[in-house]
Amino acid sequence: GAVVSQHPSWVICKSGTSVKIECRSLDFQATTMFWYRQFPKQSLMLMATSNEGSKATYEQGVEKDKFLINHASLTLSTLTVTSAHPEDSSFYICSASRLELGNTGELFFGEGSRLTVL
Amino acid sequence: AQRVTQPEKLLSVFKGAPVELKCNYSYSGSPELFWYVQYSRQRLQLLLRHISRESIKGFTADLNKGETSFHLKKPFAQEEDSAMYYCALSGREYGNKLVFGAGTILRVKS
Repeated sequence: GAVVSQHPSWVICKSGTSVKIECRSLDFQATTMFWYRQFPKQSLMLMATSNEGSKATYEQGVEKDKFLINHASLTLSTLTVTSAHPEDSSFYICSASRLELGNTGELFFGEGSRLTVL
Repeated sequence: AQRVTQPEKLLSVFKGAPVELKCNYSYSGSPELFWYVQYSRQRLQLLLRHISRESIKGFTADLNKGETSFHLKKPFAQEEDSAMYYCALSGREYGNKLVFGAGTILRVKS
């Protein structure tokens, strides 16, 4: 159990368009989902914390209007990169914590979504 | 502020040799420390956490609050241990957000 799935795995888009990435917990309910960004050969950088039914909390330096997060249910969170530019090209990873485990710090990670903006 | 430091980008050892992946942290409250591992072409997964005090795949890690360290150790490295290892920290004072270190690539040579 505890599988997190992201879709799409990779996407190429033109500059100026918007891209939506989905993160689903397949076999559990997630109290909280986290969105990370990873540049090549660098660590995961937390972008925002997404709680079901409430507004996402963004980390300092992350533009909330640029990276729209919606957590519509306990199994789905979406990240929309609006008006994408080449500098938004990156690997985006979501993770989720299980409802019954509470906030224990153990996260289950999606496989990641690679965004390339031309 | 939360901060996790992994000083080594790459650690290369021979099979059977001991391994120690270093992790130091900075945190003003009571932290929870974790090691996550990412094997080639796989997603990130939890290896162990300090509160469990368990050994997973032969790896152990002890939280040293005096030295603010949480080094990952294994007495005899195996080739299948080759992976990227991330030290991570969370704490109630910061909303239980998980913050990662830069990661260390472990290469075990035969």
